[in-house]
Amino acid sequence: DAGVTQSPTHLIKTRGQQVTLRCSPKSGHDTVSWYQQALGQGPQFIFQYYEEEERQRGNFPDRFSGHQFPNYSSELNVNALLLGDSALYLCASSLVALRNEQFFGPGTRLTVL
Amino acid sequence: AQSVAQPEDQVNVAEGNPLTVKCTYSVSGNPYLFWYVQYPNRGLQFLLKYITGDNLVKGSYGFEAEFNKSQTSFHLKKPSALVSDSALYFCAVSDHASGGSYIPTFGRGTSLIVHP
Repeated sequence: DAGVTQSPTHLIKTRGQQVTLRCSPKSGHDTVSWYQQALGQGPQFIFQYYEEEERQRGNFPDRFSGHQFPNYSSELNVNALLLGDSALYLCASSLVALRNEQFFGPGTRLTVL
Repeated sequence: AQSVAQPEDQVNVAEGNPLTVKCTYSVSGNPYLFWYVQYPNRGLQFLLKYITGDNLVKGSYGFEAEFNKSQTSFHLKKPSALVSDSALYFCAVSDHASGGSYIPTFGRGTSLIVHP
């Protein structure tokens, strides 16, 4: 049973560029959440997707957007990258009925130069 | 609003000694509480959770945590530390009151270093 997978593992971009990160949830899970973990900080909630719609959103600007596909996989898009967007981006999946039980992927390390 | 405080950036302990990693929380409703561990360049791994019931929660790898409602604390403990326990530990809280978001808020993390 595969757990949560994320791609790519690492990514280097320059300021102003756009990036897309991908996540496949744990088998059987229908809800995907995205978190940003800056260096030396705990993860901060970006948004959550269920039934292909954004259900909840944290305190992040509109430059951060997402999508969920019919197979429950998800993408995180960040436009107009800033140096401060450099972080580990974590995807977590869960069942909507058990939203507190989140399983995290290994993350994508984004570096913005 | 909900929040978590992990007052120690780093905890040092000798192998074989008991360890405690502290966590206090603030939430308007009843809390769900979690501990996660993160190894270098890895995602978060679930250790244990408190939802309701017994205040002493047992989790993975011999870890346990005690929920103390009056002190709003949820300290992580282990009777005998291993060098392999060295990692970054995160406490998290979410609100499961009616209308609660169920989205966890994480602390800043505590680096546990176990010396041989």
